[in-house]
Amino acid sequence: QSALTQPASMSGSPGQSITISCTGASSDVGNLVSWYQQYPGKAPKLMIYEVTKRPSGVSNRFSGSKSGNTASLTISGLQPEDEADYYCCSYASTWVFGGGTKLTVL
Amino acid sequence: EVQLVESGGGLVQSGGSLRLSCAASGFTFSDYWMHWVRQAPGKGLLWVARIYSDGTNTIYADSVKGRFTISRDNAKNTLYLQMNTLRSEDTAVYYCARDSRYTLGDHWGQGTLVSVSS
Repeated sequence: QSALTQPASMSGSPGQSITISCTGASSDVGNLVSWYQQYPGKAPKLMIYEVTKRPSGVSNRFSGSKSGNTASLTISGLQPEDEADYYCCSYASTWVFGGGTKLTVL
Repeated sequence: EVQLVESGGGLVQSGGSLRLSCAASGFTFSDYWMHWVRQAPGKGLLWVARIYSDGTNTIYADSVKGRFTISRDNAKNTLYLQMNTLRSEDTAVYYCARDSRYTLGDHWGQGTLVSVSS
């Protein structure tokens, strides 16, 4: 299972849109990519699954996409409560997480 | 409401053993694959292991293969992680998580901290 690379940190201002990337090392990341939001000291929360699908209760400000070996999480209309760590995860015989992206809302 | 509650974490010496439990409620436990995921202090998430709904198939991350065993008791709605030959690098918060059609973690527990002292 190849590694998934995410930017270590990103920042944005309230109201802006931001896109976090998740790049597979050597191949298509596949169609079983999910994204998680994690606040310090808390359990992760599923935000996107199967690349583009949003679980019930997750704001439609969160969306997912994929192009080749890169999956992306876009957060539109940034809000202060979006400040958190975000992780991508892909399944291909086993599950692999990206290294995580710390999002700061300035 | 789906609930996953981990227990069994604590301080253990290097080379020791520990068994974690994850009590499930609010859903038909025996219908779902389950996972363990860990997070070392200040680090990212690492998938540890997965077990089929009936317990007949398990798979592990290379870093724990041969030392950790995932199991379940569907009659007790409980998931387990037996951890042997613990190393300092196993120090982490361990989460149990429910699988939904290969999506890891549509629901997560609150985590239990395992600290391995050298």
